[in-house]
Amino acid sequence: DQQVKQNSPSLSVQEGRISILNCDYTNSMFDYFLWYKKYPAEGPTFLISISSIKDKNEDGRFTVFLNKSAKHLSLHIVPSQPGDSAVYFCAASVQGGSEKLVFGKGTKLTVNP
Amino acid sequence: GAVVSQHPSWVICKSGTSVKIECRSLDFQATTMFWYRQFPKQSLMLMATSNEGSKATYEQGVEKDKFLINHASLTLSTLTVTSAHPEDSSFYICSARREAYSPLHFGNGTRLTVT
Repeated sequence: DQQVKQNSPSLSVQEGRISILNCDYTNSMFDYFLWYKKYPAEGPTFLISISSIKDKNEDGRFTVFLNKSAKHLSLHIVPSQPGDSAVYFCAASVQGGSEKLVFGKGTKLTVNP
Repeated sequence: GAVVSQHPSWVICKSGTSVKIECRSLDFQATTMFWYRQFPKQSLMLMATSNEGSKATYEQGVEKDKFLINHASLTLSTLTVTSAHPEDSSFYICSARREAYSPLHFGNGTRLTVT
């Protein structure tokens, strides 16, 4: 049973446009959510996180939105750049992130020049 | 810069041999490290939690006698794949936190191919 779901395996956008990556979760105990970016043959790189006490967190071009009632979060990248092309993983944890992370399957983002 | 270093980045071994993968936290002490495994087009699956000075905690379905974890110091955890078989071929990644309630930082992973 997948507790963290990324239903879109891939997404393609034009450079300069907004990229929206979605993530759904089923475990209501999750209270800490993260997005990681991963290039082939490399480990994931932390991008941005959000605690369940917030509904939005912004860092430069990256914004994460959390809708607890819908058990849904999204990552917005604007403007998208070709260098953003990678696989993006959504992850969730309980107890403020002190416990293990549960990952989604990832969404491959391609930003076309 | 990198905060977690993993070595080797790739390894090819013959079936039946053992392979050791090292994970080091750089400039911080990690009492807990996590070992993940990723199959192609799949999510990262937690294999075990490595605890300094005590036994590792393995996830359900992970054979502890096959995947030996040793957290010998506050900056080093090792994963040994014993008697490797082709089905053990995968991408293994370790991770650690600088401090409690901070994001996990990952190593660059190790691509293991068992022939």
